[in-house]
Amino acid sequence: TQLLEQSPQFLSIQEGENLTVYCNSSSVFSSLQWYRQEPGEGPVLLVTVVTGGEVKKLKRLTFQFGDARKDSSLHITAAQPGDTGLYLCAGIEGAQKLVFGQGTRLTINP
Amino acid sequence: GAVVSQHPSRVICKSGTSVKIECRSLDFQATTMFWYRQFPKQSLMLMATSNEGSKATYEQGVEKDKFLINHASLTLSTLTVTSAHPEDSSFYICSAAGLAGLEQYFGPGTRLTVT
Repeated sequence: TQLLEQSPQFLSIQEGENLTVYCNSSSVFSSLQWYRQEPGEGPVLLVTVVTGGEVKKLKRLTFQFGDARKDSSLHITAAQPGDTGLYLCAGIEGAQKLVFGQGTRLTINP
Repeated sequence: GAVVSQHPSRVICKSGTSVKIECRSLDFQATTMFWYRQFPKQSLMLMATSNEGSKATYEQGVEKDKFLINHASLTLSTLTVTSAHPEDSSFYICSAAGLAGLEQYFGPGTRLTVT
């Protein structure tokens, strides 16, 4: 099983600041996904990136897939308290199997 | 997006008893369902993959005789935790994928507490 390392694992910042979360692997993934999970709920898919170098934007969130398809980043601009949650990256291994990173617990303080 | 439900959302059981958790895809046919376990402040760990009508494939370190998985129809998979112990207390999450494959739709999770 391939491993995904997320950093930082915990991040607490003030409302309005920008932040970047990283997801790294020594292995190549065919595609990579980012999820957000609220306490006591299942994860919700934010984005899937497939092509090396791909950049996708979702309002204030920007996702990038590394050229070599081994790493990805999530950048949030002007963070808001509603962005608070656990952010998980997941690589797709084989046909459908998801390998999750350890997660980044993000807290945005008003 | 597609909807996946889980029942129950929370369950408390005594040590030594068995608990069944249901995972249903409400508006699509799920050829494959996945079961994950998530301990507090940790990420999701895949326990097993089940395809409708066939035996589940378990990840290394997951006891198949303890975590019984049945995927009898294209909309229902069940996970039975047999002879539960306090260390089995966790958040169990299922996901379902259709034939198209790439996207898994996650259920809301089941919080199991074994006393």
